[in-house]
This record gives sequence, C-alpha cells and structure tokens, in this order.
Amino acid sequence: GAVVSQHPSRVICKSGTSVKIECRSLDFQATTMFWYRQFPKQSLMLMATSNEGSKATYEQGVEKDKFLINHASLTLSTLTVTSAHPEDSSFYICSARDRGNPFNEQFFGPGTRLTVL
Amino acid sequence: KNQVEQSPQSLIILEGKNCTLQCNYTVSPFSNLRWYKQDTGRGPVSLTIMTFSENTKSNGRYTATLDADTKQSSLHITASQLSDSASYICVVFRSGGYQKVTFGTGTKLQVIP
Repeated sequence: GAVVSQHPSRVICKSGTSVKIECRSLDFQATTMFWYRQFPKQSLMLMATSNEGSKATYEQGVEKDKFLINHASLTLSTLTVTSAHPEDSSFYICSARDRGNPFNEQFFGPGTRLTVL
Repeated sequence: KNQVEQSPQSLIILEGKNCTLQCNYTVSPFSNLRWYKQDTGRGPVSLTIMTFSENTKSNGRYTATLDADTKQSSLHITASQLSDSASYICVVFRSGGYQKVTFGTGTKLQVIP
C-alpha cells in the first residue's frame, strides 16, 4: 500500500514551453501533497505544499506564477512549470501525506526528470 | 536555525561489511526522525520512523538509533549488499500545526564486490 506515482518520469522540452507533472496517490487519500526539487548531488528542497481544495503554500524564493500547483482531488496534484528555462532542469519529486497514517507519513513518488533545452 | 547534518558525505564499503551513518540535527520542536533510502533517479523510500521516546528501531538489516538529548541519530547497515548502494537521507519533522520537514544532505553509500 501507500503508493505514489508521478507522470511523466522523464520529459525533455524546449525553452519557453510549459510542462505539467502529475502526482497521484494510488491507494490512499492525500489531503496534502508536497513538491520538491532536487539538483544533482543535493538534497531535496521543498518548493510548495499543496492542500486539496485550497491554494498551495510556496516556500520562500519559489515563484508561484512560474510553478503552478493544482490539487483538484484527494488523489491528484499537478505541478506546471511555465515558460521553462534551462535552469529549471531538475529532478522534481512529489510526496503525499496519508491522512489515515498516525505519523503523518509522507510517501514519495519516483520523481520526474525535467530537461529544458 | 533548523538544520540536519549527515556524515560521512560518501562512503565505500566491501560487500558483506557493516557501516554506520550519522545524523545530527538542530530542529525544534522535534516530532520525529526518519531515514530514507534514495536510489539514483528515484524517489526516497522510508526505512525507519523514530519518535521522541524511541531509542532503537530495526527494519531488517537496518537499525536506527536516536538520542534526543544530544540530537543525534545513526543508521547501521549490517551485512551490506550491492543493492544497498544508494543515498541515505536523514529527515527531521517538526511538530506543530504546520508540520515542517528538514532534509539532511544525505550520505552516498557505494557497496563494492
């Protein structure tokens, strides 16, 4: 149980285009999902917290107009990188909090490798 | 400042040997600490969860310890296997209405035959 999927796993796009990444909790309901970015040889950096039915909360330094987050249901959150540039190339990972888990466990997706040319 | 520091940064060991990874944190207020294994190009997978009152917890060949007084944790891997090669990340969760997470920089472990 507690599986989180991401789609796509890899995406290559041209500079200036927008890319949408999906994060789904497959077998549990997630009232909260988190989006992280990880650069090579660095740890995960929290970008934003996504709550179902409300606006996402962004971390300091993360542009909300560039990284659009939608949490439309208890099992789906999307991250859209708008007008992507090469510096946005990174590994994007989502996690979902199982509201039924007593430890507020976060389960991570497998990640999406974004390369902007 | 809430920080999680891990050591060593990287480690190479022979297959079958044991190793111990360290994690020091200054996160407050403390809720729980977790060790994750992250294979290259994959998302982290939880190995152990430790709350304030727990000192030791095992998950197969993985044994985690927690000293809440000194704010230190360790992850001991017994009889290492080639598949243990990965990054191991120490993550500390803060308590409160808005649960914040602080990630360590990870220890990259390579197990060689």
